Amino acid sequence: AQKVTQAQTEISVVEKEDVTLDCVYETRDTTYYLFWYKQPPSGELVFLIRRNSFDEQNEISGRYSWNFQKSTSSFNFTITASQVVDSAVYFCALSEGITGGGNKLTFGTGTQLKVEL
Amino acid sequence: DAGVIQSPRHEVTEMGQEVTLRCKPISGHDYLFWYRQTMMRGLELLIYFNNNVPIDDSGMPEDRFSAKMPNASFSTLKIQPSEPRDSAVYFCASSHSQGAKDQPQHFGDGTRLSIL
Repeated sequence: AQKVTQAQTEISVVEKEDVTLDCVYETRDTTYYLFWYKQPPSGELVFLIRRNSFDEQNEISGRYSWNFQKSTSSFNFTITASQVVDSAVYFCALSEGITGGGNKLTFGTGTQLKVEL
Repeated sequence: DAGVIQSPRHEVTEMGQEVTLRCKPISGHDYLFWYRQTMMRGLELLIYFNNNVPIDDSGMPEDRFSAKMPNASFSTLKIQPSEPRDSAVYFCASSHSQGAKDQPQHFGDGTRLSIL
């Protein structure tokens, strides 16, 4: 069975600090997909990034970066120079590829990030 | 482009009443998912459809819950009769299958349901 663990329940940082959100996953699939979603206080779920199991290239997008390491089954997310607007719950998700396309997602329990002035 | 549209945004009703949640997926998306989010259980997949056909409803908690997708642009999740423990935020999401399998699911704003 698939499982996603976000061990950090809540993180508090001061604005401009860098922060890394951890995600560890378990799957028996050889082909799988990883996602990060953001849920701000307003409640909607916003897609941030996806990675497939064959692409371990790390990515930087503005202040966001992702570190995917298959050897440790981790897909960590770093925010550089955090801002108050980054305050949200961040969810890591693992997909079970559905035949013909589409993905059935297993979500982690989320990490509440609070960025304070 | 319009995203996934859910209605109502908030619903407060009394125990025993029928509740109907509505979802309009993104045009062209052939997968539709219903999730429930609670503090205790986090985000749970209830059911998903492909081309309007229910594929997996193993997450539906009990027979009081039912979901339909009469056409490609509309789905409903119904609870009858409702109970206080059904109080949660219900999300609808859609994705498309064209191209690579790593298509992200795009979520609606959710319906916050409170059963008194």
